[in-house]
Amino acid sequence: DVKVTQSSRYLVKRTGEKVFLECVQDMDHENMFWYRQDPGLGLRLIYFSYDVKMKEKGDIPEGYSVSREKKERFSLILESASTNQTSMYLCASSHGTYNEQFFGPGTRLTVL
Amino acid sequence: KNEVEQSPQNLTAQEGEFITINCSYSVGISALHWLQQHPGGGIVSLFMLSSGKKKHGRLIATINIQEKHSSLHITASHPRDSAVYICAVEGYTDKLIFGTGTRLQVFP
Repeated sequence: DVKVTQSSRYLVKRTGEKVFLECVQDMDHENMFWYRQDPGLGLRLIYFSYDVKMKEKGDIPEGYSVSREKKERFSLILESASTNQTSMYLCASSHGTYNEQFFGPGTRLTVL
Repeated sequence: KNEVEQSPQNLTAQEGEFITINCSYSVGISALHWLQQHPGGGIVSLFMLSSGKKKHGRLIATINIQEKHSSLHITASHPRDSAVYICAVEGYTDKLIFGTGTRLQVFP
């Protein structure tokens, strides 16, 4: 079974803090994705990566950056957290093209 | 207008009822996905389809490419089916465009 894990289920940070969200997958998937999910807006793509050290902006990249130094790990970084970044963050991975995405359990981030 | 629209937004049913959730989209797609999200956040892929119909247990998904419409049916619904059901379409990249979800509650 594919397993996608995220470093925290719940996280509380203060405005201005640097926040790291980690995602690890164990199935050698090429593609990895970071989404945020907000009520009434559905899932929105922040960044994705097709390969190690490669990254592409999604629909809402402002205020975020990512890092993919190893194939199995994809990190989302909030350089200076703000209250409007309070959200559920979901990581996903997939193999190749036109294949299903496997999701992690999500991290509920609250920025105070 | 959203590129992926789901209806209804909320749905309640009694155990045993037949349930239909609809998804309409306005873009060209290579595939359509149905996902399930239980309270607590985890998302599970139910179906990926590009034509016709797929069945898994009590779940059936259909797609009409010409009409840009898909339906997810649940036969003999059960309280454990209570979840948010999300439709997502995949264009000609690996990116998904998501609907806002249908919240289903099935009461015993």
